[in-house]
Amino acid sequence: QKEVEQNSGPLSVPEGAIASLNCTYSDRGSQSFFWYRQYSGKSPELIMFIYSNGDKEDGRFTAQLNKASQYVSLLIRDSQPSDSATYLCAVPRIPILTGGGNKLTFGTGTQLKVEL
Amino acid sequence: EAQVTQNPRYLITVTGKKLTVTCSQNMNHEYMSWYRQDPGLGLRQIYYSMNVEVTDKGDVPEGYKVSRKEKRNFPLILESPSPNQTSLYFCASSSRPGQGGSYEQYFGPGTRLTVT
Repeated sequence: QKEVEQNSGPLSVPEGAIASLNCTYSDRGSQSFFWYRQYSGKSPELIMFIYSNGDKEDGRFTAQLNKASQYVSLLIRDSQPSDSATYLCAVPRIPILTGGGNKLTFGTGTQLKVEL
Repeated sequence: EAQVTQNPRYLITVTGKKLTVTCSQNMNHEYMSWYRQDPGLGLRQIYYSMNVEVTDKGDVPEGYKVSRKEKRNFPLILESPSPNQTSLYFCASSSRPGQGGSYEQYFGPGTRLTVT
């Protein structure tokens, strides 16, 4: 069973700051990772998918994968109150190319609060 | 509009009374899944399906049944619900890798089930 660990938070950051969310994983063979965002009372939605080592940027979001240390981070630049949500890290239990995006182990999520 | 729908959205029932939660997607996705979400435990996969008539267990399948007789529908059946199945349930769908789609799972709005 692949384990995914996240600090539950809440993580509070002021508006305009960089929010840094971390996720550690137990399976050294894991190669791809997902970040989903879940607003209170809503369903999760995908915000980032990262496959290789290093960084991936999409607008204000940057995902960083460090396989040697077995963690993946999500950075949110210029945080806005609308970013306040729970962020879920997820790891496929089977290779991504054989349907791993459909068979995910999720962390318990980190609650982010962006304060005015 | 591309979407995953679930019905009912809210359900209160009694122990032992069989129930079905329906899930339907209009995106022609091959993959569909059921998750439950509980405080402190995060999202856990119950069952998933890779295509019509192809289903497999997730992490927490005990007490649940599924069937996939049509591509668009993936109902979740609780034949004898118990209080420990009180939870928030999400259905999700995704396209098959290599078909030009992303690895994203699209989640339904959720069904809040209470078993007394």
